[in-house]
Amino acid sequence: KNQVEQSPQSLIILEGKNCTLQCNYTVSPFSNLRWYKQDTGRGPVSLTIMTFSENTKSNGRYTATLDADTKQSSLHITASQLSDSASYICVVMGAGKSTFGDGTTLTVKP
Amino acid sequence: DAGVTQSPTHLIKTRGQQVTLRCSPKSGHDTVSWYQQALGQGPQFIFQYYEEEERQRGNFPDRFSGHQFPNYSSELNVNALLLGDSALYLCASSLGGRTTNEKLFFGSGTQLSVL
Repeated sequence: KNQVEQSPQSLIILEGKNCTLQCNYTVSPFSNLRWYKQDTGRGPVSLTIMTFSENTKSNGRYTATLDADTKQSSLHITASQLSDSASYICVVMGAGKSTFGDGTTLTVKP
Repeated sequence: DAGVTQSPTHLIKTRGQQVTLRCSPKSGHDTVSWYQQALGQGPQFIFQYYEEEERQRGNFPDRFSGHQFPNYSSELNVNALLLGDSALYLCASSLGGRTTNEKLFFGSGTQLSVL
Protein backbone atom coordinates (compact mmCIF):
# COMPACT_ATOMS: atom_id res chain seq x y z
CA LYS A 1 0.00 0.00 0.00
CA ASN A 2 1.32 3.44 -0.94
CA GLN A 3 1.95 5.51 2.16
CA VAL A 4 3.44 8.87 3.08
CA GLU A 5 4.57 9.37 6.67
CA GLN A 6 5.51 12.78 8.02
CA SER A 7 7.33 13.72 11.18
CA PRO A 8 7.10 15.34 13.56
CA GLN A 9 3.32 15.62 13.80
CA SER A 10 3.71 19.10 15.30
CA LEU A 11 6.55 21.47 16.02
CA ILE A 12 6.92 24.73 17.95
CA ILE A 13 9.90 27.00 17.32
CA LEU A 14 10.90 30.57 18.08
CA GLU A 15 10.89 33.21 15.39
CA GLY A 16 14.22 33.37 13.59
CA LYS A 17 15.12 29.74 14.24
CA ASN A 18 15.54 27.05 11.60
CA CYS A 19 13.64 23.77 11.42
CA THR A 20 13.49 20.61 9.33
CA LEU A 21 10.41 18.56 8.50
CA GLN A 22 10.63 14.94 7.37
CA CYS A 23 8.71 12.87 4.84
CA ASN A 24 9.15 9.12 4.26
CA TYR A 25 7.23 7.36 1.52
CA THR A 26 6.60 3.91 0.11
CA VAL A 27 4.92 5.06 -3.11
CA SER A 28 5.96 3.06 -6.15
CA PRO A 29 6.45 3.79 -8.96
CA PHE A 30 7.64 7.29 -8.12
CA SER A 31 6.98 10.31 -10.35
CA ASN A 32 7.53 13.33 -8.13
CA LEU A 33 7.22 14.73 -4.62
CA ARG A 34 5.69 18.07 -3.68
CA TRP A 35 5.65 20.03 -0.47
CA TYR A 36 2.53 22.10 0.16
CA LYS A 37 1.90 24.79 2.77
CA GLN A 38 -1.62 24.97 4.19
CA ASP A 39 -2.61 27.97 6.27
CA THR A 40 -5.48 27.49 8.70
CA GLY A 41 -8.81 27.61 6.89
CA ARG A 42 -7.19 27.75 3.47
CA GLY A 43 -6.33 25.30 0.73
CA PRO A 44 -2.77 23.95 0.31
CA VAL A 45 -0.31 25.93 -1.82
CA SER A 46 2.60 24.25 -3.62
CA LEU A 47 6.09 25.19 -2.36
CA THR A 48 8.38 22.88 -4.36
CA ILE A 49 8.36 19.88 -6.66
CA MET A 50 11.12 17.25 -6.65
CA THR A 51 11.58 14.74 -9.45
CA PHE A 52 13.64 11.55 -9.33
CA SER A 53 16.87 13.17 -10.54
CA GLU A 54 16.76 16.16 -8.20
CA ASN A 55 18.47 16.16 -4.80
CA THR A 56 17.88 19.71 -3.62
CA LYS A 57 15.60 22.56 -4.59
CA SER A 58 15.15 25.94 -2.94
CA ASN A 59 12.30 28.41 -2.89
CA GLY A 60 13.34 31.41 -0.87
CA ARG A 61 13.76 30.35 2.75
CA TYR A 62 12.43 26.86 1.95
CA THR A 63 14.84 24.13 0.84
CA ALA A 64 13.63 20.66 -0.04
CA THR A 65 15.83 17.59 -0.37
CA LEU A 66 15.09 14.19 -1.87
CA ASP A 67 16.84 10.86 -1.45
CA ALA A 68 15.09 8.56 -3.90
CA ASP A 69 17.15 5.56 -2.76
CA THR A 70 15.94 5.73 0.84
CA LYS A 71 12.59 7.27 -0.17
CA GLN A 72 13.00 10.22 2.13
CA SER A 73 12.49 13.95 1.72
CA SER A 74 12.97 16.89 4.01
CA LEU A 75 11.84 20.50 4.03
CA HIS A 76 14.19 22.93 5.74
CA ILE A 77 12.92 26.35 6.75
CA THR A 78 15.54 29.01 7.43
CA ALA A 79 15.12 32.06 9.65
CA SER A 80 11.49 31.26 10.45
CA GLN A 81 8.84 33.97 10.46
CA LEU A 82 5.48 34.15 12.21
CA SER A 83 3.82 33.72 8.81
CA ASP A 84 5.45 30.29 8.48
CA SER A 85 2.97 28.99 11.04
CA ALA A 86 0.95 26.47 9.01
CA SER A 87 0.60 22.81 8.16
CA TYR A 88 3.18 21.44 5.72
CA ILE A 89 2.00 18.52 3.63
CA CYS A 90 4.15 16.11 1.64
CA VAL A 91 2.51 14.68 -1.50
CA VAL A 92 4.02 11.87 -3.55
CA MET A 93 2.81 11.10 -7.05
CA GLY A 94 3.16 7.74 -8.73
CA ALA A 95 1.26 5.89 -11.45
CA GLY A 96 -0.89 8.94 -11.97
CA LYS A 97 -2.09 9.10 -8.39
CA SER A 98 -1.18 11.44 -5.54
CA THR A 99 -0.72 10.19 -1.98
CA PHE A 100 -0.91 12.83 0.74
CA GLY A 101 0.79 12.77 4.12
CA ASP A 102 -1.07 13.99 7.20
CA GLY A 103 1.18 17.03 7.48
CA THR A 104 3.37 18.64 10.12
CA THR A 105 1.82 21.53 12.02
CA LEU A 106 4.42 24.23 12.55
CA THR A 107 3.90 27.01 15.09
CA VAL A 108 6.35 29.90 15.10
CA LYS A 109 6.28 31.95 18.30
CA PRO A 110 7.67 35.47 18.79
CA ASP B 1 -6.72 36.05 -12.77
CA ALA B 2 -9.32 34.24 -10.68
CA GLY B 3 -8.07 31.35 -8.61
CA VAL B 4 -10.10 28.33 -7.57
CA THR B 5 -13.35 29.37 -5.94
CA GLN B 6 -15.57 27.16 -3.81
CA SER B 7 -19.04 27.69 -2.40
CA PRO B 8 -20.39 27.74 0.16
CA THR B 9 -17.55 28.33 2.63
CA HIS B 10 -19.43 26.74 5.52
CA LEU B 11 -22.41 24.41 5.67
CA ILE B 12 -24.34 22.69 8.46
CA LYS B 13 -26.51 19.66 7.70
CA THR B 14 -28.16 16.88 9.65
CA ARG B 15 -27.71 13.15 9.26
CA GLY B 16 -29.50 11.68 6.25
CA GLN B 17 -29.64 14.93 4.32
CA GLN B 18 -28.03 15.57 0.95
CA VAL B 19 -25.50 18.29 0.13
CA THR B 20 -24.08 19.87 -3.03
CA LEU B 21 -20.75 21.68 -3.05
CA ARG B 22 -19.56 23.79 -5.96
CA CYS B 23 -16.18 24.62 -7.47
CA SER B 24 -14.96 26.89 -10.24
CA PRO B 25 -11.45 26.05 -11.44
CA LYS B 26 -8.61 28.49 -11.98
CA SER B 27 -8.90 30.38 -15.24
CA GLY B 28 -7.53 28.24 -18.06
CA HIS B 29 -7.77 24.96 -16.14
CA ASP B 30 -10.01 22.14 -17.29
CA THR B 31 -9.48 19.43 -14.68
CA VAL B 32 -11.08 19.37 -11.23
CA SER B 33 -10.24 17.07 -8.33
CA TRP B 34 -12.12 16.80 -5.04
CA TYR B 35 -10.60 15.96 -1.66
CA GLN B 36 -11.94 15.35 1.85
CA GLN B 37 -9.77 16.59 4.70
CA ALA B 38 -10.61 15.57 8.26
CA LEU B 39 -9.24 17.65 11.12
CA GLY B 40 -5.53 16.98 11.65
CA GLN B 41 -5.21 14.79 8.57
CA GLY B 42 -4.07 15.20 5.01
CA PRO B 43 -6.53 15.48 2.12
CA GLN B 44 -8.03 12.21 0.87
CA PHE B 45 -8.70 11.94 -2.87
CA ILE B 46 -12.38 11.53 -3.76
CA PHE B 47 -12.42 11.77 -7.57
CA GLN B 48 -11.22 13.73 -10.56
CA TYR B 49 -13.18 15.14 -13.51
CA TYR B 50 -11.83 15.90 -16.97
CA GLU B 51 -13.82 16.49 -20.14
CA GLU B 52 -17.02 16.15 -18.11
CA GLU B 53 -16.19 12.58 -17.12
CA GLU B 54 -14.98 10.98 -13.90
CA ARG B 55 -11.43 9.84 -14.70
CA GLN B 56 -10.22 8.56 -11.36
CA ARG B 57 -11.89 7.71 -8.09
CA GLY B 58 -10.57 7.20 -4.59
CA ASN B 59 -11.88 4.86 -1.94
CA PHE B 60 -15.20 6.61 -1.30
CA PRO B 61 -18.70 5.07 -1.38
CA ASP B 62 -21.26 5.72 -4.08
CA ARG B 63 -22.94 8.27 -1.80
CA PHE B 64 -20.27 10.60 -3.14
CA SER B 65 -20.95 11.64 -6.71
CA GLY B 66 -19.96 14.50 -8.92
CA HIS B 67 -20.42 16.32 -12.13
CA GLN B 68 -18.41 18.59 -14.39
CA PHE B 69 -20.06 21.17 -16.60
CA PRO B 70 -19.01 22.38 -20.07
CA ASN B 71 -17.47 25.49 -18.49
CA TYR B 72 -15.23 23.15 -16.39
CA SER B 73 -16.92 24.00 -13.09
CA SER B 74 -17.81 21.06 -10.92
CA GLU B 75 -20.16 19.88 -8.22
CA LEU B 76 -19.69 17.35 -5.44
CA ASN B 77 -22.85 15.69 -4.16
CA VAL B 78 -23.06 13.66 -0.97
CA ASN B 79 -26.23 11.70 -0.18
CA ALA B 80 -27.43 10.22 3.10
CA LEU B 81 -24.99 12.26 5.16
CA LEU B 82 -23.24 10.59 8.09
CA LEU B 83 -21.60 12.24 11.08
CA GLY B 84 -18.26 11.03 9.70
CA ASP B 85 -18.73 13.11 6.57
CA SER B 86 -17.96 16.22 8.62
CA ALA B 87 -14.76 17.61 7.09
CA LEU B 88 -13.19 20.29 4.94
CA TYR B 89 -13.89 19.55 1.28
CA LEU B 90 -11.23 20.87 -1.05
CA CYS B 91 -11.42 21.38 -4.77
CA ALA B 92 -8.22 21.50 -6.81
CA SER B 93 -7.81 22.41 -10.45
CA SER B 94 -5.11 21.58 -12.99
CA LEU B 95 -4.59 21.65 -16.74
CA GLY B 96 -5.10 19.13 -19.50
CA GLY B 97 -6.04 16.10 -17.49
CA ARG B 98 -2.38 15.28 -17.09
CA THR B 99 -1.47 13.58 -13.87
CA THR B 100 2.32 13.60 -14.25
CA ASN B 101 4.01 16.52 -12.48
CA GLU B 102 0.64 18.24 -12.29
CA LYS B 103 0.55 21.25 -9.99
CA LEU B 104 -2.70 21.40 -8.13
CA PHE B 105 -4.24 24.76 -7.32
CA PHE B 106 -6.56 24.43 -4.34
CA GLY B 107 -9.57 26.44 -3.31
CA SER B 108 -10.12 27.47 0.31
CA GLY B 109 -12.58 24.65 0.81
CA THR B 110 -16.08 24.13 2.14
CA GLN B 111 -16.31 23.25 5.83
CA LEU B 112 -19.16 20.76 6.19
CA SER B 113 -20.57 19.95 9.62
CA VAL B 114 -23.05 17.09 9.96
CA LEU B 115 -25.09 17.12 13.18
